Amino acid sequence: AQKVTQAQTEISVVEKEDVTLDCVYETRDTTYYLFWYKQPPSGELVFLIRRNSFDEQNEISGRYSWNFQKSTSSFNFTITASQVVDSAVYFCASRAHGSSNTGKLIFGQGTTLQVKP
Amino acid sequence: DTAVSQTPKYLVTQMGNDKSIKCEQNLGHDTMYWYKQDSKKFLKIMFSYNNKELIINETVPNRFSPKSPDKAHLNLHINSLELGDSAVYFCASRGTQGNTEAFFGQGTRLTVV
Repeated sequence: AQKVTQAQTEISVVEKEDVTLDCVYETRDTTYYLFWYKQPPSGELVFLIRRNSFDEQNEISGRYSWNFQKSTSSFNFTITASQVVDSAVYFCASRAHGSSNTGKLIFGQGTTLQVKP
Repeated sequence: DTAVSQTPKYLVTQMGNDKSIKCEQNLGHDTMYWYKQDSKKFLKIMFSYNNKELIINETVPNRFSPKSPDKAHLNLHINSLELGDSAVYFCASRGTQGNTEAFFGQGTRLTVV
């Protein structure tokens, strides 16, 4: 069975600080997908990134970067020079490969990030 | 032109009532889902439909009945509402061609009083 753990329940930083959100996953599947979603105070779930298990390249998108390491089963998310608008709950999730699964997401518990001005 | 839209956004109702939440997606996706987010923000899948066929039912009480009249719609009907049903319910959809991500609706906050 799949499992996603986000050990950090809440993080508080001051604007312009860098912050890393940790995500550790467990899976027996050889092919799987990892995701990050953002849930701002308005409540919607916003897709940020998807990573395939066979692609360990790190990714950078503006101030956001993701570090995927299969050796430690981690998929960490770093925000550089954080801004108040980054304040949200961030969810890491996994999905197994295969048609029988139909793509259900297994979510971590979420990390609440508060960025103070 | 919202991709996945749910109505209503807020729903307050009394115990024992029956209510429905509607979901529509205009992305042409084959698969739709209902997720429940509890008071601790934990998200868990409830149902999955693929081409109007129920694929996943994650031990959800029989009082919850999803209905998919067509690929673009997945409604959630809840009978005999209980206090513990209070939560935020998210609809999502995903294309099954390729390994794509799920897109979520804005959520429906259900409060049972």
